[in-house]
Amino acid sequence: NAGVTQTPKFQVLKTGQSMTLQCAQDMNHEYMSWYRQDPGMGLRLIHYSVGAGITDQGEVPNGYNVSRSTTEDFPLRLLSAAPSQTSVYFCASSPGLAGADTQYFGPGTRLTVL
Amino acid sequence: GNSVTQMEGPVTLSEEAFLTINCTYTATGYPSLFWYVQYPGEGLQLLLKATKADDKGSNKGFEATYRKETTSFHLEKGSVQVSDSAVYFCALSDRNSGSRLTFGEGTQLTVNP
Repeated sequence: NAGVTQTPKFQVLKTGQSMTLQCAQDMNHEYMSWYRQDPGMGLRLIHYSVGAGITDQGEVPNGYNVSRSTTEDFPLRLLSAAPSQTSVYFCASSPGLAGADTQYFGPGTRLTVL
Repeated sequence: GNSVTQMEGPVTLSEEAFLTINCTYTATGYPSLFWYVQYPGEGLQLLLKATKADDKGSNKGFEATYRKETTSFHLEKGSVQVSDSAVYFCALSDRNSGSRLTFGEGTQLTVNP
């Protein structure tokens, strides 16, 4: 199993550009989520999905869109990049929805918006 | 709402020293508690967890006990190694939040030889 994979590893954007961060998992997990990591703030939830076709907002959803057309893939779209979106982005998945399950994280995408 | 507070870092220790990283939480109901570790340049991975009061999670010499009376889940290790240098995150989830995790700020640990 590859686990959770993310592409790209690094990305530099200009203000106003759009892009999609890719996330895929090969563990047949129901739950997938996106977090952003900023210094001194831990990880904050952007969007999450409890299954194909179902998504919901997390703590900091503004400026981001997601979709979940398959169990495996959960892309994150930045509609019009802003410098405040400079961060490290992590995708995670877990097998269940009850809350006690381990979450598996991808290696992260480091995004810089100029 | 849910929240997690970790001791401020960074923490610098010598090899074989005793480690404690404090974590306290606020949550509705009975949360599950986690410690995740992030090694340099990598994603997070689960270090240990506890799902009910008085449970002790342990892994790789690290331990943490779920204390409901003090709403705490402090991480301890008796003798740290240089390879333990990483960022440690305390986190929780509860039945209302499903699999959504609430994280603390993270504590950077550096262990010197």
